[in-house]
Amino acid sequence: NAGVTQTPKFRVLKTGQSMTLLCAQDMNHEYMYWYRQDPGMGLRLIHYSVGEGTTAKGEVPDGYNVSRLKKQNFLLGLESAAPSQTSVYFCASRTGDTGELFFGEGSRLTVL
Amino acid sequence: GQNIDQPTEMTATEGAIVQINCTYQTSGFNGLFWYQQHAGEAPTFLSYNVLDGLEEKGRFSSFLSRSKGYSYLLLKELQMKDSASYLCAVMDSNYQLIWGAGTKLIIKP
Repeated sequence: NAGVTQTPKFRVLKTGQSMTLLCAQDMNHEYMYWYRQDPGMGLRLIHYSVGEGTTAKGEVPDGYNVSRLKKQNFLLGLESAAPSQTSVYFCASRTGDTGELFFGEGSRLTVL
Repeated sequence: GQNIDQPTEMTATEGAIVQINCTYQTSGFNGLFWYQQHAGEAPTFLSYNVLDGLEEKGRFSSFLSRSKGYSYLLLKELQMKDSASYLCAVMDSNYQLIWGAGTKLIIKP
């Protein structure tokens, strides 16, 4: 059972480039989340989804877009990368409102 | 605003006991989570408290006082592998998780 899988694990971008992070879960979870984690700060919610075809903004959505076309996949896009988006990105999923979160391994993104 | 406070770093000795505190101010409360995160890895679930009191799970215990906006994670019989960051998170009235910045626990032999 793979759980939550993120690709790619590492990426280096130049300012202005675009990219997509893919999150896939095989636990049939309804809720999926994208967080970023920066040194000295807690996990910050970028966008989330409460079911297939739905998305919503989190705490820090600017500069990011998401899509949830299939229940098992949640994509995070950066249209024009900026150095401030250098971070570690975590995808997570859970079954319902109060279930524990299951995290992917993280994707380390560096924007030069 | 919503706020979760926990110490930035703690040091303890192998075999000892350590208590990591977490205080919170949130819009509503639907439970408090503790996660463990080893360096370079993803957070993993440790405990969930929604009612006041102590929840024990092996060497780890978590306590909650909703009236005081306070929780602690108690780690007993510390092992070197317990060196990690411990994240406190509160679920608010909208069922969104508010995360503390984490407590880095350093275990010394």
